[in-house]
Amino acid sequence: DVKVTQSSRYLVKRTGEKVFLECVQDMDHENMFWYRQDPGLGLRLIYFSYDVKMKEKGDIPEGYSVSREKKERFSLILESASTNQTSMYLCASTPGAGLNTEAFFGQGTRLTVV
Amino acid sequence: GNSVTQMEGPVTLSEEAFLTINCTYTATGYPSLFWYVQYPGEGLQLLLKATKADDKGSNKGFEATYRKETTSFHLEKGSVQVSDSAVYFCALTRGIIQGAQKLVFGQGTRLTINP
Repeated sequence: DVKVTQSSRYLVKRTGEKVFLECVQDMDHENMFWYRQDPGLGLRLIYFSYDVKMKEKGDIPEGYSVSREKKERFSLILESASTNQTSMYLCASTPGAGLNTEAFFGQGTRLTVV
Repeated sequence: GNSVTQMEGPVTLSEEAFLTINCTYTATGYPSLFWYVQYPGEGLQLLLKATKADDKGSNKGFEATYRKETTSFHLEKGSVQVSDSAVYFCALTRGIIQGAQKLVFGQGTRLTINP
């Protein structure tokens, strides 16, 4: 069974903390994505990566960075957490080049910044 | 730019009722269209897709037809079950960068089915 696994289901962090969200996929996919999900806004793309050490900004990259040192692992970093980053974070992966490929999602990490 | 608009929820129906969740889009070119479903406590999973005009995607009793003339991709099911309770997202392809297909999602519609 193919899997995208996020390291935590729930996290509570303090304002100003550096926060790491981890995502691992076991499908040998080239592409990995980080989204945040907020009520009434759907999913918004933060960053994505198309290869090891390669990354591209999405629609809302401010306040975030990412790291992809190995093909199977994609980390989202909140450099200095703020309350407006309280949200559900979803990781996804897709295989290499081509349209119409299915995206596989992790179960999500609900982050609360207090 | 490309965007997706879904009907506002939440939607509450009785078991065996007919379901329609509206989705319209704005896009340049000919995007592929998708419906993803998120069951409680889980990530999103692909429900169905259509890649060109007049294509019909179908899965688990759900259907959606790619209507270019009305820029719509409405989700339908003839008889819903309690197990269909979930959040449904319409999405479209926004292009490919370095082989990575980017998607844009609607805001999601929460569906609750009562027995």
